[in-house]
Amino acid sequence: AQSVTQPDIHITVSEGASLELRCNYSYGATPYLFWYVQSPGQGLQLLLKYFSGDTLVQGIKGFEAEFKRSQSSFNLRKPSVHWSDAAEYFCAVGVGGNTPLVFGKGTRLSVIA
Amino acid sequence: SQTIHQWPATLVQPVGSPLSLECTVEGTSNPNLYWYRQAAGRGLQLLFYSVGIGQISSEVPQNLSASRPQDRQFILSSKKLLLSDSGFYLCAWITLRAGRYHGYTFGSGTRLTVV
Repeated sequence: AQSVTQPDIHITVSEGASLELRCNYSYGATPYLFWYVQSPGQGLQLLLKYFSGDTLVQGIKGFEAEFKRSQSSFNLRKPSVHWSDAAEYFCAVGVGGNTPLVFGKGTRLSVIA
Repeated sequence: SQTIHQWPATLVQPVGSPLSLECTVEGTSNPNLYWYRQAAGRGLQLLFYSVGIGQISSEVPQNLSASRPQDRQFILSSKKLLLSDSGFYLCAWITLRAGRYHGYTFGSGTRLTVV
């Protein structure tokens, strides 16, 4: 069965600084990979996804993520963080069909001035 | 367009009372539907999923049940709420565009507080 690890529970960055959120997965083949963002009290919004092809994927709000098969990782990056990026971020792994997505426990991002 | 509706947004219920949360989707047919619960600091826990009318898979044994009376309706219920049922409940469905899998779309969630 697939699993997802987000090793950082909470990260604080300064506004304008770069950001990298880590995600490692465990699965025998290449899964579908997702990053979602959740603002307080809201549902989850899809930031970006990887299915196949180019390993660097672009998403909304200036985010990107890189799939590295050798490291079983799908880290999320943003070159310059804005205060509005403060939220919780979830990495998820899927295998398609009827099998439910498996989510990591999330990383809470705080942005300071 | 494809949308998902979830209500109510907020609910405060006494211990021992019943529960009914509803989720409906529009703009698609025969979607896979999911109920997740999010407790503080514990990420997303899959509770139930359904691949069709009357088909429910339970992931975690607990005080809750789910039903799918119609193709686009997914209901989460409890006969008697416990304090531990408090949390943020999210409904989701598998998004397909032009027949291709695009992951999940989530509802806006229901904040349940059991007092």
